[in-house]
Amino acid sequence: GENVEQHPSTLSVQEGDSAVIKCTYSDSASNYFPWYKQELGKRPQLIIDIRSNVGEKKDQRIAVTLNKTAKHFSLHITETQPEDSAVYFCAADYYGNNRLAFGKGNQVVVIP
Amino acid sequence: GAGVSQTPSNKVTEKGKYVELRCDPISGHTALYWYRQSLGQGPEFLIYFQGTGAADDSGLPNDRFFAVRPEGSVSTLKIQRTERGDSAVYLCASSLTEHSSYNEQFFGPGTRLTVL
Repeated sequence: GENVEQHPSTLSVQEGDSAVIKCTYSDSASNYFPWYKQELGKRPQLIIDIRSNVGEKKDQRIAVTLNKTAKHFSLHITETQPEDSAVYFCAADYYGNNRLAFGKGNQVVVIP
Repeated sequence: GAGVSQTPSNKVTEKGKYVELRCDPISGHTALYWYRQSLGQGPEFLIYFQGTGAADDSGLPNDRFFAVRPEGSVSTLKIQRTERGDSAVYLCASSLTEHSSYNEQFFGPGTRLTVL
């Protein structure tokens, strides 16, 4: 099945700096790559997603890039704020359907 | 409108007991997913439904786990003869359809299951 790995496991950044989280996946048939944010004790919430027919997508301070050849995709958060502190999960669909395989998550800590 | 809801929010049970976890998806969403999230891990796929039928149950860990969605809306995850290793947060998600248009999966708040 699909295997998704995230790096680094924990990331600390100064407020205002950028944060980058990278994920790799194994299934070359995967076409959909969402990123979820989960605050402590809360439900995962989608923050951005990308499909395999595009290489980059932006939404205000958040962007995702996809390299299908290398099978990796990255989340970029610019001008980080304390409310960006959370665990971020990347995911990829199995064999091109809507089942999702998640990575283990990255703890992002924004230091005021 | 209301999001995905799950009940109970917490469930403590003893080893060997039977439990049922309920998920109420967003109205009109035909696809429903169950995931399990252990501490420090990402959600792990268990099963998904398209309408009333289980379209893919390959993530269920063993035959003690079973899920139903008899009317194509509310779903119940059932765990027989619970074991301590079943302790986790059980998350439910729903999406408009499960087709390759990749509709967003909206998650519920989860049920935290503790098996003593």
